[in-house]
Amino acid sequence: DQQVKQNSPSLSVQEGRISILNCDYTNSMFDYFLWYKKYPAEGPTFLISISSIKDKNEDGRFTVFLNKSAKHLSLHIVPSQPGDSAVYFCAASEGSQGNLIFGKGTKLSVKP
Amino acid sequence: GAVVSQHPSWVICKSGTSVKIECRSLDFQATTMFWYRQFPKQSLMLMATSNEGSKATYEQGVEKDKFLINHASLTLSTLTVTSAHPEDSSFYICSAKVRGAPNTGELFFGEGSRLTVL
Repeated sequence: DQQVKQNSPSLSVQEGRISILNCDYTNSMFDYFLWYKKYPAEGPTFLISISSIKDKNEDGRFTVFLNKSAKHLSLHIVPSQPGDSAVYFCAASEGSQGNLIFGKGTKLSVKP
Repeated sequence: GAVVSQHPSWVICKSGTSVKIECRSLDFQATTMFWYRQFPKQSLMLMATSNEGSKATYEQGVEKDKFLINHASLTLSTLTVTSAHPEDSSFYICSAKVRGAPNTGELFFGEGSRLTVL
């Protein structure tokens, strides 16, 4: 049973618009969440994280929102750029040192 | 940022042979390294956690005799797929935690190694 779910395998957005990537989790013990970005034939790179004591974390164009009651988090990218086109993985762990459990990823395509 | 390098990036081998994949932290010491496997259109699945100088901890369902992990130094971990079969064909990725880094949970990933078993 998947503990971290990214239900949208792909997302297409126009350049300059907002990209919203969603992630749901089932394990209520998860309290640390991360987003990774992955280009083809490369390893994932860390993007942004949030702990359960917060409901929002912002870093430049990237903002992660956490709704603990709904067990849902989302990554907002605004404005979206063609270089943002990649696969985005949501990951969760119990504590900041726990093993990461990854979702299946969402492929984002930003069109010029 | 910290760099993790994997080698080889792509390997093709015959069924029954063994393949070794190396994971090196180039500019930092990694007390803990992780090995993941990714099937097409699937998430990254943690295979095992290796700590320098001790035996690796394998996730449920991962055969430790098939996937040998050695973490002999603070900068190198190896994954050996023994007696590989076509079903072992996959994308293997390692990641590492920086020794002494704040508890951010951030991992640095290697570039991945594509294994194809004929």
